[in-house]
Amino acid sequence: DTEVTQTPKHLVMGMTNKKSLKCEQHMGHRAMYWYKQKAKKPPELMFVYSYEKLSINESVPSRFSPECPNSSLLNLHLHALQPEDSALYLCASSQGTGRGETQYFGPGTRLLVL
Amino acid sequence: EDQVTQSPEALRLQEGESSSLNCSYTVSGLRGLFWYRQDPGKGPEFLFTLYSAGEEKEKERLKATLTKKESFLHITAPKPEDSATYLCAVQAAGGATNKLIFGTGTLLAVQP
Repeated sequence: DTEVTQTPKHLVMGMTNKKSLKCEQHMGHRAMYWYKQKAKKPPELMFVYSYEKLSINESVPSRFSPECPNSSLLNLHLHALQPEDSALYLCASSQGTGRGETQYFGPGTRLLVL
Repeated sequence: EDQVTQSPEALRLQEGESSSLNCSYTVSGLRGLFWYRQDPGKGPEFLFTLYSAGEEKEKERLKATLTKKESFLHITAPKPEDSATYLCAVQAAGGATNKLIFGTGTLLAVQP
């Protein structure tokens, strides 16, 4: 089973709202990722967690705040977003962060910021 | 600078018409090359991982090959359900741990 689940599937929020995206995997993977994907563009890496510790932050604005409560869960807290933050947010996981580890993606959360 | 280029940007095939998608890469050292399929509005679906030149992998109508400079995704006798965007990504030895560098994808449309 290579399933990564994400909730919600769709989210509409105003620029003053606070919301959270959730991601879960039960494959025993120890690395989890957040990506942002704009229409007709490839995914862009935002954050990497390895063994529940933040290992990569790709210079993402502070209005995006990741959290990894345990090895199976990954959250992305959103606050004071801008309309240009509207995108498909993808979560992924891999066994570890070693050489050539395959990343498995979830279905994504479609976010619209008004 | 590490770079991945996919061609063509878009490809239209008739059902049963075999073809190939190309992924050219320039990296300091290849840790892995990955192929994904992505349907509109959904997350990328993993297809293949290739590690070294000469390696080949197959799954149903798809076959991925790897050389030192590029990878090909061969599609044999495609069906309409093969229509999707195909993404190629590489993990480079000199980059951040497990960071994937994506190409811009090839949009494949298979007409019945």
